[in-house]
Amino acid sequence: QQQVKQSPQSLIVQKGGISIINCAYENTAFDYFPWYQQFPGKGPALLIAIRPDVSEKKEGRFTISFNKSAKQFSLHIMDSQPGDSATYFCAASMGENNDMRFGAGTRLTVKP
Amino acid sequence: GAGVSQSPSNKVTEKGKDVELRCDPISGHTALYWYRQSLGQGLEFLIYFQGNSAPDKSGLPSDRFSAERTGGSVSTLTIQRTQQEDSAVYLCASSSVSGNQPQHFGDGTRLSIL
Repeated sequence: QQQVKQSPQSLIVQKGGISIINCAYENTAFDYFPWYQQFPGKGPALLIAIRPDVSEKKEGRFTISFNKSAKQFSLHIMDSQPGDSATYFCAASMGENNDMRFGAGTRLTVKP
Repeated sequence: GAGVSQSPSNKVTEKGKDVELRCDPISGHTALYWYRQSLGQGLEFLIYFQGNSAPDKSGLPSDRFSAERTGGSVSTLTIQRTQQEDSAVYLCASSSVSGNQPQHFGDGTRLSIL
């Protein structure tokens, strides 16, 4: 059972545009929602994370929007750059063992 | 500081052979995780270690897979009698304490079974 559903599978955006990736979760016990960025041949790197007591978190060009009632959260990349081209994973975790479930990933391509 | 280190970075072996993959977590991190990432896919949880507690092995796909963590630091993932479907990138992550903490990943071991 896929506990975190991510869309789209791939995304192409022009330089300077806004990239939006969406995730939905099922288990209301999740209480930590990180986003990871992965370049080819590298491991995922933490980009930004949010807890369910806030509806939005912004760090530079990256913003997470969180809708607890809808059980959805999204990543917005403002002024997208070719260097942002990577695969992005949303995740959700819960519990003391940090049981983390990942979305299937979104391959973002930013065209110059 | 040093991140999570995994070795080897690449491993090619013949079907039926055993392989050992190593993970050095960030110093002081008590939690350690192994994941498998098939080509173009998401991350599949394999096993979790926390301190001296019994590991959570619920994600191991078969009894050919095992892992240990010695001295609460370095971990080894062993795959016995490898099969072609075991070909994937094996990622290790560590976190400082359990519960709502980011996991820090190594760059993985790319395993290819011929």
